[in-house]
Formats: sequence, structure tokens, C-alpha cells
Amino acid sequence: ILNVEQSPQSLHVQEGDSTNFTCSFPSSNFYALHWYRWETAKSPEALFVMTLNGDEKKKGRISATLNTKEGYSYLYIKGSQPEDSATYLCAFIRDGGSQGNLIFGKGTKLSVKP
Amino acid sequence: ETGVTQTPRHLVMGMTNKKSLKCEQHLGHNAMYWYKQSAKKPLELMFVYSLEERVENNSVPSRFSPECPNSSHLFLHLHTLQPEDSALYLCASSQGSGGPDHYEQYFGPGTRLTVT
Repeated sequence: ILNVEQSPQSLHVQEGDSTNFTCSFPSSNFYALHWYRWETAKSPEALFVMTLNGDEKKKGRISATLNTKEGYSYLYIKGSQPEDSATYLCAFIRDGGSQGNLIFGKGTKLSVKP
Repeated sequence: ETGVTQTPRHLVMGMTNKKSLKCEQHLGHNAMYWYKQSAKKPLELMFVYSLEERVENNSVPSRFSPECPNSSHLFLHLHTLQPEDSALYLCASSQGSGGPDHYEQYFGPGTRLTVT
């Protein structure tokens, strides 16, 4: 059984705070790691697709890092804004399996208070 | 708008009913997916179709029957469901094979299903 764990489960921060959360995944047979943002009443939207150990990707105030050897990825949000409130999901794709088979974590629910 | 539409958005059905969920993608993608989102559980992949062929079936009960008549349309036929099947059903599409970026999922808005 392949497990993808995300922590914390939920997070409450004040506007302007910087924050980060973790996605842990199996360190063997790595193919790719995706991050998605899922706002209430909307569809999940992709943030990053990460493939190489040591990858760091950035989109505005949000960035992500990847460590495939130890099996974790961090998502950072700098200067959180209320519009960042959402559930952040990571998804692991295993090499050698069906590469359309994404295994999702339960997500980290972020609430940003004005 | 992600380019993936789903109908209906909400569905209430009895355990003896037969209904179908519909998904359509306008992105020219080759792969389509059904996911189930139950309360306090992660998104669970149910089925994957690539170029209209089923390539993944994650041990889903036979009361869920997918159909992919072409690369733009995906259906999920439902019959004799159980109350525990109540969940949000999400459809997604991706470009398909060709590298990790090609598996980036484009999700529809989902169908909220309640089985009574």
C-alpha cells in the first residue's frame, strides 16, 4: 500500500504570515509529485509538477521543494493572503506503475484571517 | 473554468435507481479519470482511460461502470448503489503519456451524489 501523508491537517494563520506544510511519500520508485490547490466550491487546480530531486519551483508567493531521496516535499506560502485560503493537495506518481495513477494525500486546509 | 465540465452537479438517487454521470473535456486531452472524494478521505482514483481504453481500475465495485466513447467524453454509470457511495465524484483529464507534465490533472467541478 502506497501512502501519501500531509501535515498539518489544517492551519490557521493571520494575513501576512508565511507558512509551510509537508507532503511525505514513498522514497522508492519515484516518478513525479504534484501539488494542487482546491478552493471551496471550485475544482482542484495544479500548482506544480515536480520531478527531480532538489527541484524548487515558484509561482508568485508560493514555492515548493522536493527531496526524492528522503521522500518529502514542502510547500511554502510567503505573506499569506485571505485568497490563499484553500486545501492544498499533493499527489505522488510511482515509476513503473500506471503513470496516470496519482495517489493523493488528504490535504492541508489553510485558513488565512484578514 | 478548467475546460472540464460535469453534469449533473448534484444528484440524489435511491439504492434501486440507475443514473449516469457525464464528463466532457474541451482541452484536446487523451486521458480521462474518475475520482471519488469521501469525507475525511483522500481523493481516490477510480478509473483511468487513455485514448478511450481503460488502463486503470482501482478495485472499484461493479455497481460503478465507466464508459469512454471518445477522448472528449467520459461517463460513470451507477446502479444499485449503497448509502456509503455518497460522495463527491470528480472527473479530470490530462494530456496523457509523454512525460510527468502530461499527467497534470485538469479537474471538473464534480457531482455531489447522495444515495438514500
